[in-house]
Amino acid sequence: DTAVSQTPKYLVTQMGNDKSIKCEQNLGHDTMYWYKQDSKKFLKIMFSYNNKELIINETVPNRFSPKSPDKAHLNLHINSLELGDSAVYFCASSPSEGLGETQYFGPGTRLLVL
Amino acid sequence: AQTVTQSQPEMSVQEAETVTLSCTYDTSESDYYLFWYKQPPSRQMILVIRQEAYKQQNATENRFSVNFQKAAKSFSLKISDSQLGDAAMYFCAYRSFPAGTASKLTFGTGTRLQVTL
Repeated sequence: DTAVSQTPKYLVTQMGNDKSIKCEQNLGHDTMYWYKQDSKKFLKIMFSYNNKELIINETVPNRFSPKSPDKAHLNLHINSLELGDSAVYFCASSPSEGLGETQYFGPGTRLLVL
Repeated sequence: AQTVTQSQPEMSVQEAETVTLSCTYDTSESDYYLFWYKQPPSRQMILVIRQEAYKQQNATENRFSVNFQKAAKSFSLKISDSQLGDAAMYFCAYRSFPAGTASKLTFGTGTRLQVTL
C-alpha cells in the first residue's frame, strides 16, 4: 500500500556513469516533484510536473533529465555522474499544485558516486 | 527570493516535556502557506502541521501546535508531552505563488530534535 515509491533505495556507482531513479505514486495525484537533499540535510526542489507537464525546472545541470510517461510516474535520469551528485533524492506528489496541498514524499534514494 | 531560516541546528527535550522549534521566513507575498515536516531516521518526510497566512488562528494537530506571527514573519512549532518517537529532523517550509511562476516549497535548514529519558 505504499503511496509514493522509489527504486532503487540505494545506488552506488562510478563517476561518469548514467543512472535512473524511478518514482511511482498510487494516490491519483496530478503533481509530482523531485527534491535533492545534500549531505548537510538541505532539501531543494529540482523539478515539478503537473499532469505530465514540466512546471518547475530549477537551476539544475542539464545532465539531469526528468521524464513523466504518465501522471503516476516521474523518473529521473542522470548522465555523466559526478562526485557532487552524491545525495538523497526524494520524489513527492500532491493532489494538485495548490498552495496548501500536502506533499507526500517517497522514502528517498541514496546515491553515492565514487 | 523567499528564504526560510531555522536558527537552531539542534535541540534537546526530555520525554513528556515541551519544546519549541523556531522558524522565520522572508517574503513580500501576502498569501502563502507554512509547513512543518518531520524526517525521522527512516528518512521519510512526513507533514506535521500547516498554516495558511490568511488564518489568524494558530493551527493545532494533537500535541503539535504553531505560533504564527505574520507581522514578525515567525512560525514556531511547539511539541507538547514529547515522546521518544518525536526524535527527528524538523523542517520548516514555505510556499507561495509568485506572479508568473509555479509555486514551490522552500525548506529551512532543519532542526535536529533529540528526546531524552
